[in-house]
Amino acid sequence: DTEVTQTPKHLVMGMTNKKSLKCEQHMGHRAMYWYKQKAKKPPELMFVYSYEKLSINESVPSRFSPECPNSSLLNLHLHALQPEDSALYLCASSQTGVENEKLFFGSGTQLSVL
Amino acid sequence: GNSVTQMEGPVTLSEEAFLTINCTYTATGYPSLFWYVQYPGEGLQLLLKATKADDKGSNKGFEATYRKETTSFHLEKGSVQVSDSAVYFCALSDLDSGGSNYKLTFGKGTLLTVNP
Repeated sequence: DTEVTQTPKHLVMGMTNKKSLKCEQHMGHRAMYWYKQKAKKPPELMFVYSYEKLSINESVPSRFSPECPNSSLLNLHLHALQPEDSALYLCASSQTGVENEKLFFGSGTQLSVL
Repeated sequence: GNSVTQMEGPVTLSEEAFLTINCTYTATGYPSLFWYVQYPGEGLQLLLKATKADDKGSNKGFEATYRKETTSFHLEKGSVQVSDSAVYFCALSDLDSGGSNYKLTFGKGTLLTVNP
């Protein structure tokens, strides 16, 4: 199994809603990532978890809250988002995060904030 | 800081044409270099990589050579197919400022359209 699975594929939410994005991998990878990708732009790193600990936070606003309950799962909790947060949210994983490794990406969650 | 500059495109070619997408980088350390491809509606997939100077990465007919003297990693394919239509991202991986995790820095992406 070389897949990173993200759910849901599409999400529409209002600015007062609370929702969560989920990501799962069963490759035994110990590093997991959240990226944000606006249309026709490259992915931008948001967070990195390495061995279930948050190791990189790229100054992301607190309305985005990551969680790594175990080595296979990564969540992104969303609260009080703004319309400019509408984007494709990509999850990725790699073996350890402490070497120059290949990243495996999920297909993403397309988020629209109304 | 690290950065990647790639030809922005869009690039439109006929099937069986030769493809080059230019990529140059700036890095303080000794990065690894990657090309990722994103098909419509999907996440990114690794196309090829090179970890040190003069390494050549290759996959599915695509090639790129890590040139330290010109800080370049240009993507080439001798004969493109319609199925190669996608967005191509050049990227480098190097240690973050904390020195304990590797981070990918992406170029802006190049949209390739191949017509039959």
